[in-house]
Amino acid sequence: EIVLTQSPATLSLSPGERATLSCRASQTVSSYLAWYQQKPGQAPRLLFSDASNRATGIPARFSGSGSGTDFTLTISSLEPEDFAVYYCQQRSNWPPTFGGGTKVEIK
Amino acid sequence: QVQLVESGGGVVQPGRSLRLSCGASGFKFTNYGMHWVRQAPGRGLEWVAFIWYDGSNQYYADSVKGRFTISRDSSEKTVSLQMNSLTVEDTAVYYCARDRSGGTTMAGFFDYWGQGALVTVSA
Repeated sequence: EIVLTQSPATLSLSPGERATLSCRASQTVSSYLAWYQQKPGQAPRLLFSDASNRATGIPARFSGSGSGTDFTLTISSLEPEDFAVYYCQQRSNWPPTFGGGTKVEIK
Repeated sequence: QVQLVESGGGVVQPGRSLRLSCGASGFKFTNYGMHWVRQAPGRGLEWVAFIWYDGSNQYYADSVKGRFTISRDSSEKTVSLQMNSLTVEDTAVYYCARDRSGGTTMAGFFDYWGQGALVTVSA
């Protein structure tokens, strides 16, 4: 089973700042990686699949990059609605697995 | 618009059974594989099970294999999760989610999610 390690666990930033979230895989997942956003009491929402393929309706301030074992989710300028928990997920090897999440909180 | 609505959650004693259902609308149900993903309170996400678009194959996480069964009813546009021999470790919000890929391939990503059903296993 592929283990995904997300860092940092918590990111404290102010609105307007840039957020950079990392996801590292225990072995290569090629580009078979997704990012999700989850707000309290809500279901996760798909942001990106295949590392950088933006899902429908996701604003351009979000970007995904990486391949192999190292991936990055970048939010260029944080909006108030972006404060949430973000998860990465791989589907390269069965079973699909998720990272432990990064919480982006208001500083 | 795509909608997934789970039902059937509740409180159940260890060793008992529970059945979750997920009603789908807003898309061609028979074109898409469907997953169940769970989240223990205050914890991360764990994939549980997947069923192909035509119901021909099912896959399970090791943690639930032999206890849980995923099924689908195309006429009712529902996907179900039969959970037997429940343990306290199964306590979680259970989400049904659509596989991003339609048709005969499986993307393994989840593009639409239901609101979740809480299952609490407690004596």
